[in-house]
Amino acid sequence: DAKTTQPTSMDCAEGRAANLPCNHSTISGNEYVYWYRQIHSQGPQYIIHGLKNNETNEMASLIITEDRKSSTLILPHATLRDTAVYYCIVEGSNYKLTFGKGTLLTVNP
Amino acid sequence: NAGVTQTPKFRILKIGQSMTLQCAQDMNHNYMYWYRQDPGMGLKLIYYSVGAGITDKGEVPNGYNVSRSTTEDFPLRLELAAPSQTSVYFCASSYYGGAEAFFGQGTRLTVV
Repeated sequence: DAKTTQPTSMDCAEGRAANLPCNHSTISGNEYVYWYRQIHSQGPQYIIHGLKNNETNEMASLIITEDRKSSTLILPHATLRDTAVYYCIVEGSNYKLTFGKGTLLTVNP
Repeated sequence: NAGVTQTPKFRILKIGQSMTLQCAQDMNHNYMYWYRQDPGMGLKLIYYSVGAGITDKGEVPNGYNVSRSTTEDFPLRLELAAPSQTSVYFCASSYYGGAEAFFGQGTRLTVV
């Protein structure tokens, strides 16, 4: 199963865009990239997923490079409530999701 | 819809005791999952199920058992609890493999 690499932590100013990078250089052609986040110690929350085209929903945008070896999650206008651990996950065999340590995003006032 | 409901929210067990963590979903989802999360770490998959009567091991299944007799319920059984099983346990469900997964609020288990 493909592994992902994310920075341990990032800061962002409230109201600015937060750009969270993820490397997944061993991703296979038919494996999706998922993003989840975990606020404090709550259950993870789904954000977005994609295969090769850029995706956007009401929460975020997902930009996947043409070679699919990396992606960026964009929160267009970060708020204090977006402070959380963000997990970038490449779907494994049998659709299993393997969570790494993620990126702690801290949104500052 | 209540979503994914886990009970209990908190539990303290003594070494060697057993217990069942309950998980129920009311979204008619086929896939269900059990994860554990140790402090400062990501979630690790314990067991998963792709439908009633079908279960399979995840990354860390030792010390746990599951069953899936109905679409709605996916209980996790701990036999002979050990301190290494102190963790937060999350149950999740999705309509199909690869779909958005919904997580419960977790069960905080301490084994002393």
